[in-house]
Amino acid sequence: DAGVTQSPTHLIKTRGQQVTLRCSPKSGHDTVSWYQQALGQGPQFIFQYYEEEERQRGNFPDRFSGHQFPNYSSELNVNALLLGDSALYLCASSSFGHLYGYTFGSGTRLTVV
Amino acid sequence: AQRVTQPEKLLSVFKGAPVELKCNYSYSGSPELFWYVQYSRQRLQLLLRHISRESIKGFTADLNKGETSFHLKKPFAQEEDSAMYYCALSGQSSSNTGKLIFGQGTTLQVKP
Repeated sequence: DAGVTQSPTHLIKTRGQQVTLRCSPKSGHDTVSWYQQALGQGPQFIFQYYEEEERQRGNFPDRFSGHQFPNYSSELNVNALLLGDSALYLCASSSFGHLYGYTFGSGTRLTVV
Repeated sequence: AQRVTQPEKLLSVFKGAPVELKCNYSYSGSPELFWYVQYSRQRLQLLLRHISRESIKGFTADLNKGETSFHLKKPFAQEEDSAMYYCALSGQSSSNTGKLIFGQGTTLQVKP
């Protein structure tokens, strides 16, 4: 089992562009959560998807949106990129309602120039 | 407001010395507390959670509701303990299930 897989590992975008990040959850998991980790900070919760719906959302603007597919994989979309969106984006999968099995991916490093 | 505070960005100790990584939280209710660890070039992984009351790799953490703290302790540090440690909190209500609030992290450096 490859665990949680995220792609791409790194990417560079220009301010104002749009970006899509992808996540495949660990086998057996049905819930995907996304976090943003700025340099020197702890991860911050963006949102969580279960049954293809956004279930919870953190304090992030509408520029951040997501999607979950029937196979439980997920995408994070960020529109109108700002320099401040530069961060490591982490995906975590779990079984809905259970935190002890929370499994993180290695992340996607986004740099906005 | 829900918040996790880790007051030390860096904790440096010698091998064999005791370690205490501090974590304080703010939450109106009964939270679930966790410690996550990230070793160099590895992904974030769960170290322990207060509900299980277990010892992992010699580390323990006790939830002190009076002081709203969840400090991570180990009596004798090993060089392989060098890593970034994050304290995290989750509310127990169904609306909070699956959302973790992290502290800023403490880098533990164990010197030989």
